[in-house]
Amino acid sequence: AQTVTQSQPEMSVQEAETVTLSCTYDTSESDYYLFWYKQPPSRQMILVIRQEAYKQQNATENRFSVNFQKAAKSFSLKISDSQLGDAAMYFCAYRSAFFGYTGNQFYFGTGTSLTVIP
Amino acid sequence: KAGVTQTPRYLIKTRGQQVTLSCSPISGHRSVSWYQQTPGQGLQFLFEYFSETQRNKGNFPGRFSGRQFSNSRSEMNVSTLELGDSALYLCASSLSGQGRETQYFGPGTRLLVL
Repeated sequence: AQTVTQSQPEMSVQEAETVTLSCTYDTSESDYYLFWYKQPPSRQMILVIRQEAYKQQNATENRFSVNFQKAAKSFSLKISDSQLGDAAMYFCAYRSAFFGYTGNQFYFGTGTSLTVIP
Repeated sequence: KAGVTQTPRYLIKTRGQQVTLSCSPISGHRSVSWYQQTPGQGLQFLFEYFSETQRNKGNFPGRFSGRQFSNSRSEMNVSTLELGDSALYLCASSLSGQGRETQYFGPGTRLLVL
C-alpha cells in the first residue's frame, strides 16, 4: 500500500513570509496524483492544489505552489506572502491514477499544523 | 450548489452502544468516502461507496459498516463502540471517485465515546 509521510507536525511562519511544508510518499506506481488539502480550525477541509505525476511542471495556485520531485518522491507545498487565514492543518494526499474495479482511495499524511504569527 | 452535509455534528455515546452517522453528498456526486480523523493519525480511510455499492474498504474491523442509498446519501454505522472510536468522522463526495477529481469534504461528525 502507498504511504504518505509528513515529518513536520507543526510549523510556524511570520505573516507575509514564505513557508514550505514537506511531504514524501512511497509508491511503486508511475502514474498518480498528489494533493494538498487545508483544514482550518473547525472548518471544512478544502483542496489547495493538485499535481499530476506525469506533468513535470510544478503546479501553482496564486500564493500556493508545489515542488514536485518525482524521483525523490517528494511533494512540498510553498506558501508565499503568508496570511492569517492560512493558519490551518495541511494534509498531503496521494491517489493512484489506475482505476480498478475497487476504485482508488486517497492516502493521507498525518498533517502539518501551520501557525501564522502576526 | 449545497455542499456536503453531515449529521449529527456532535455525538456522545458510551462504550458498547452503536451509532449511525449520515452524509449527504453534493448533488450529482455518486461517490462517497468515509474517513476517521484522530490526532497524530491523520485521516484513515474507512470505505467508499459508489452507486449503492461498497467499492473499497480500509483496514477497520467489521464493527464499522456503511451503506449508500439510491439518492447517493450514505450512512456509516459503528457497533459496540470502544473508547478508541472517539474521533472526527469525515465524509467526502466526488463525481465518480477517481483520478484527479477533487473530493469535497463535509464538516464532520465529532464522536466522543465515554
